[in-house]
Amino acid sequence: QKEVEQDPGPLSVPEGAIVSLNCTYSNSAFQYFMWYRQYSRKGPELLMYTYSSGNKEDGRFTAQVDKSSKYISLFIRDSQPSDSATYLCADQGTSYGKLTFGQGTILTVHP
Amino acid sequence: NAGVTQTPKFRILKIGQSMTLQCTQDMNHNYMYWYRQDPGMGLKLIYYSVGAGITDKGEVPNGYNVSRSTTEDFPLRLELAAPSQTSVYFCASSAGSGVFETQYFGPGTRLLVL
Repeated sequence: QKEVEQDPGPLSVPEGAIVSLNCTYSNSAFQYFMWYRQYSRKGPELLMYTYSSGNKEDGRFTAQVDKSSKYISLFIRDSQPSDSATYLCADQGTSYGKLTFGQGTILTVHP
Repeated sequence: NAGVTQTPKFRILKIGQSMTLQCTQDMNHNYMYWYRQDPGMGLKLIYYSVGAGITDKGEVPNGYNVSRSTTEDFPLRLELAAPSQTSVYFCASSAGSGVFETQYFGPGTRLLVL
C-alpha cells in the first residue's frame, strides 16, 4: 500500500466550477499536510499546508484534513484557467522535513 | 534572490555514462533534497542533507551519490546511467530551523538515458 494515494485524474472542469482534489494516507506519523501546485515543466511550489485536523482557507483555496479517516482534501472555488496545473498532496513526518508525495492530479480549467 | 537553481536543464546520456546534476541555493538553507519525478508517480526522495558534510539516503538512492561540501551546493552524481534513471530531477531546500519549513524547489533537470 502506498503511503500517500492520490487519484491522478486527469480532471477537466469549466471555468467557475468548484474543484475537489483528494488524497488518503496510511502513516499515522504524518503531522503536516501540504498541497503543492506544479505548472507544466516547472518545479512544485507550496500552495497550502495544514497541521492536524480541520480546515484552512486562503482566498479561493480551502485545505481540509481528517486525521481520523486519514483523508486530505483541497477545494478550489471559482476555478480559473490559471489554476490549470498538477496538484500534489504531500505529507511530512517528524524526520528532517522529508516529504512523501501523492501521484499528483492533473487539472485543466477550460474557459 | 535566485532561489534554487539547477543545471543543466536537459541532458541525454548513453547507458553507462556518468554525469553530475548541479544544485545551488542562495537562501542560506540548512536542508537540501533531491527528488525524482516519473510520469504519474509523484516525487520520490533520493537523498537529503541537513548541513554541510551530512547526507543520508531517501526512498530511492540506488544508482546515485551525493556530497555536500558547502551550504549552497548539493550535487547529485549518476555513475553508470541506466534507462531506469530517465526522469525529471528536482532539487529543493528548506531552512530546517523549525518544526515545519517550506521546501523551495528548483526548475528541474530532464534526463533521458538511451
